[in-house]
Amino acid sequence: DAGVIQSPRHEVTEMGQEVTLRCKPISGHDYLFWYRQTMMRGLELLIYFNNNVPIDDSGMPEDRFSAKMPNASFSTLKIQPSEPRDSAVYFCASSPSNGEQFFGPGTRLTVL
Amino acid sequence: KQEVTQIPAALSVPEGENLVLNCSFTDSAIYNLQWFRQDPGKGLTSLLLIQSSQREQTSGRLNASLDKSSGRSTLYIAASQPGDSATYLCAVGLLDSGYALNFGKGTSLLVTP
Repeated sequence: DAGVIQSPRHEVTEMGQEVTLRCKPISGHDYLFWYRQTMMRGLELLIYFNNNVPIDDSGMPEDRFSAKMPNASFSTLKIQPSEPRDSAVYFCASSPSNGEQFFGPGTRLTVL
Repeated sequence: KQEVTQIPAALSVPEGENLVLNCSFTDSAIYNLQWFRQDPGKGLTSLLLIQSSQREQTSGRLNASLDKSSGRSTLYIAASQPGDSATYLCAVGLLDSGYALNFGKGTSLLVTP
């Protein structure tokens, strides 16, 4: 298996622009997670899905953030409009029912 | 809210030494605990997963233990090598959070030749 795939790997955009991050989980995994990593706050959970259904989005910082999982092999995290404080590394992870999480390589987002 | 603390924040050891990384958590109602490795600019690599019913897990030179009652886990690395240099992250899954992980800030390890 190729592991969790994320795209793009790097994204540089200007404040106010829409940003879409993409994730392909490992086939057969029931859970998908979106995390954000910053130097100040470390790794934080944004939202997670179980069988394509959003379960907990309490970590999503604002209404500017939204996430979807239209099918078992694809998820998106969208920021609209983006702000400089959104600059971070965004990770997607997937997990089978035993709870072990496997992370993608991350998307490094820079908002100017 | 689950608080996860890792001590020390940074550690430098000469090659060949055995070392212990510590992780503590405040809520003992955990589902599992997972140790990760993160290289600079890279994603997280899963090292060991300990379910709440287990006391320890081993993989090669790595051994992780779990004591739920005291809210502690340790990661033991035997015969350290320069290739072990990385940041090690401890993460705890809570019973009521659907396996979502709460992360510590990590221990940055440097193994010198």
